[in-house]
Amino acid sequence: QKEVEQDPGPLSVPEGAIVSLNCTYSNSAFQYFMWYRQYSRKGPELLMYTYSSGNKEDGRFTAQVDKSSKYISLFIRDSQPSDSATYLCAMSAWSAAGNKLTFGGGTRVLVKP
Amino acid sequence: GAVVSQHPSWVICKSGTSVKIECRSLDFQATTMFWYRQFPKQSLMLMATSNEGSKATYEQGVEKDKFLINHASLTLSTLTVTSAHPEDSSFYICSAQAERVTDTQYFGPGTRLTVL
Repeated sequence: QKEVEQDPGPLSVPEGAIVSLNCTYSNSAFQYFMWYRQYSRKGPELLMYTYSSGNKEDGRFTAQVDKSSKYISLFIRDSQPSDSATYLCAMSAWSAAGNKLTFGGGTRVLVKP
Repeated sequence: GAVVSQHPSWVICKSGTSVKIECRSLDFQATTMFWYRQFPKQSLMLMATSNEGSKATYEQGVEKDKFLINHASLTLSTLTVTSAHPEDSSFYICSAQAERVTDTQYFGPGTRLTVL
């Protein structure tokens, strides 16, 4: 079983809809939770970064973390065709040698005009 | 802020040659840099972690003599693929983490390596 599970999709939604993404994890040591967006043949771009349970909002993006359930979510409101990309969840535990990220497999999202 | 660059963005080389990829943090000092490899339609696979002034720590299964990593300064890390072969063709991505241990990683745009 993978440490981080993420539905690969593709997830297809009409423009303007809410995109709902989620990941589950098994390692209770994870303290930091991130969502990255990756366009084809590009490096991942950090969207959201949280380190506690609860909600965090930034523009059209809302990240939720539920440590008790080991479950994180990302919501994208008013989705646009430019949001079509692969979304990667990532998480890490603190380490003096640097926070190694454990990634989900990524969810491919298609926003149709 | 938090911009990471990579050079080159793509490279084609002949089998048996060596290729060097540079990763730079442009507007912050990165005490730790990471190198990843990504195959088509797959997630990122961590290859190694490097701290400035120290030897890199390689993940299990990654050949340290083949993938040489140097983290010479707080803004520059290099990955050299030695004696490259077609199976080394992949998308290589670096990331950088700032000094604060709670900082997350910021990724470069990636380098596409094709070995003929």
